Amino acid sequence: KQEVTQIPAALSVPEGENLVLNCSFTDSAIYNLQWFRQDPGKGLTSLLLIQSSQREQTSGRLNASLDKSSGRSTLYIAASQPGDSATYLCAVRPRDDYKLSFGAGTTVTVRA
Amino acid sequence: NAGVTQTPKFRILKIGQSMTLQCTQDMNHNYMYWYRQDPGMGLKLIYYSVGAGITDKGEVPNGYNVSRSTTEDFPLRLELAAPSQTSVYFCASSILPGQSTYEQYFGPGTRLTVT
Repeated sequence: KQEVTQIPAALSVPEGENLVLNCSFTDSAIYNLQWFRQDPGKGLTSLLLIQSSQREQTSGRLNASLDKSSGRSTLYIAASQPGDSATYLCAVRPRDDYKLSFGAGTTVTVRA
Repeated sequence: NAGVTQTPKFRILKIGQSMTLQCTQDMNHNYMYWYRQDPGMGLKLIYYSVGAGITDKGEVPNGYNVSRSTTEDFPLRLELAAPSQTSVYFCASSILPGQSTYEQYFGPGTRLTVT
């Protein structure tokens, strides 16, 4: 059974600092990995999706890397802003299924 | 284009009451999902559907039922509410898996409290 872990559970940084969020998974037989953003009282918004054959994906200030063999993904957010304050979840899709396994998320606070 | 909509946004139930959480999507997605999110935990899959008339259990189906009579709607039914069902419920939909841009689109959630 795939286990997805996100450490730390919470993170507080001053504005302008780069954010590094970690996601680890136990089974490397994945199809893709996805990073989501969740705002309080809202649903999940997809940020980046990395296919198993890719090493990284970039979108604006966001960069996600994937090391499938070691079961790790990292989401980098450059030059953080107060608007980046949210909970970030990673989800893994296994190779032989389409149902996602989610981590518990990292709650980020960016202080102005 | 509304995406995935859920009603109600909030609900308080007494133990033993029943209710239906509504979910509708307007993207013509075949696949739909119900998740629950407990504090400090990841999303857990309750039920899913691969098309109208076809549903299957996820990881935590006990205490819930679903139906899928149309492509657009995927209601979740709680028959005898219990305090353990206090949670935030999310509905999601997706196109056929296997597409290179496969991803799930989520509704805003329903916050349910059972007392």
